[in-house]
Amino acid sequence: KQEVTQIPAALSVPEGENLVLNCSFTDSAIYNLQWFRQDPGKGLTSLLLIQSSQREQTSGRLNASLDKSSGRSTLYIAASQPGDSATYLCAVEGTYKYIFGTGTRLKVLA
Amino acid sequence: DAMVIQNPRYQVTQFGKPVTLSCSQTLNHNVMYWYQQKSSQAPKLLFHYYDKDFNNEADTPDNFQSRRPNTSFCFLDIRSPGLGDAAMYLCATSELAGGTDTQYFGPGTRLTVL
Repeated sequence: KQEVTQIPAALSVPEGENLVLNCSFTDSAIYNLQWFRQDPGKGLTSLLLIQSSQREQTSGRLNASLDKSSGRSTLYIAASQPGDSATYLCAVEGTYKYIFGTGTRLKVLA
Repeated sequence: DAMVIQNPRYQVTQFGKPVTLSCSQTLNHNVMYWYQQKSSQAPKLLFHYYDKDFNNEADTPDNFQSRRPNTSFCFLDIRSPGLGDAAMYLCATSELAGGTDTQYFGPGTRLTVL
């Protein structure tokens, strides 16, 4: 049974710092891995999707990497801003199904 | 803009009183999903439709049902809500094609059970 873990559960950083969020999964037989952002009380916004054959994806200040063999993904956020404060969730796709981690709650201090 | 719309955004119901949550999409995607997310927890898949084919997760309670009358709409029916069913309910869509399966989420419906 696939399990997804995100560390740390919460993180506070001063504005301008580069930071890394971690996601690990127990079953490497995945199709895709996706990173989402969730603001309090809101739905999910897709940030980056990495297909199983890919190693990384970049969008603006975000870079996500995937190492399927070790069951790990990282989300790198460069030059963090207060507007980046949110919960970041990773999800791995099996057959017709996404399994989510519990997220990392990020607070960027002005 | 093409999007996933959920109505209502906030729903209050009484213990045991049936409730229906609505999801619609303008993306014309072939798959629609319903997730339940309780406070500080990961979203948990309840079921999904691939076109008209309904797929229930093994641990989804019988109290939860779904209908997809056409490509654009999908409904979540909770037959007898209990206090433990209070949660955010998220609808998502995707188009399964060529191995990429980006899921697009709606804003969610927050359900309160009194």
